[in-house]
Amino acid sequence: QQPVQSPQAVILREGEDAVINCSSSKALYSVHWYRQKHGEAPVFLMILLKGGEQKGHDKISASFNEKKQQSSLYLTASQLSYSGTYFCGTADNNNDMRFGAGTRLTVKP
Amino acid sequence: DTGVSQNPRHKITKRGQNVTFRCDPISEHNRLYWYRQTLGQGPEFLTYFQNEAQLEKSRLLSDRFSAERPKGSFSTLEIQRTEQGDSAMYLCASEVGVGLGYTFGSGTRLTVV
Repeated sequence: QQPVQSPQAVILREGEDAVINCSSSKALYSVHWYRQKHGEAPVFLMILLKGGEQKGHDKISASFNEKKQQSSLYLTASQLSYSGTYFCGTADNNNDMRFGAGTRLTVKP
Repeated sequence: DTGVSQNPRHKITKRGQNVTFRCDPISEHNRLYWYRQTLGQGPEFLTYFQNEAQLEKSRLLSDRFSAERPKGSFSTLEIQRTEQGDSAMYLCASEVGVGLGYTFGSGTRLTVV
């Protein structure tokens, strides 16, 4: 089953923060986050594994609540370069990964 | 290695024709995945390989689709008797090991006319 992402789209001004949510109806082993710019391939951002953890680099971080089967991606002090579509990919312990429909993020000057 | 390479980048074909796409993964990556992506949607899983073994195949794949990965190196995805509904971006991704993140290729955009 495909995970559900929310919101579908968000528009920010530079410097503002955003949260993108991803939820699944099945037990998860890991959650991946990717960013895709128009006409380009998805680029890996980070992976969170079962055990409930939070990760981050620079101003982008994520959390994984395995009990709720949810993950959230946090973008702080957004930059123009953050614009793109963000996908979560959720995998069970067979590494069977499914992607959400994506959240389109637009950062304006 | 410069990443995952896919060829061709674009393919326009007439309905009913056969097409074949190629993916060259990063050399030390054992796992190779094929996904299909349509406009405004996330990648949809098609199939994946662990070395040369095809371990899973999506129900999305009709019997017109076949994939191979001879010798665990490059992979090919063939679509026979193409239909307009096959028009999409076909993405290949490789992964060095379970849970370490995918590296995607730039994709092959298929247009069936």
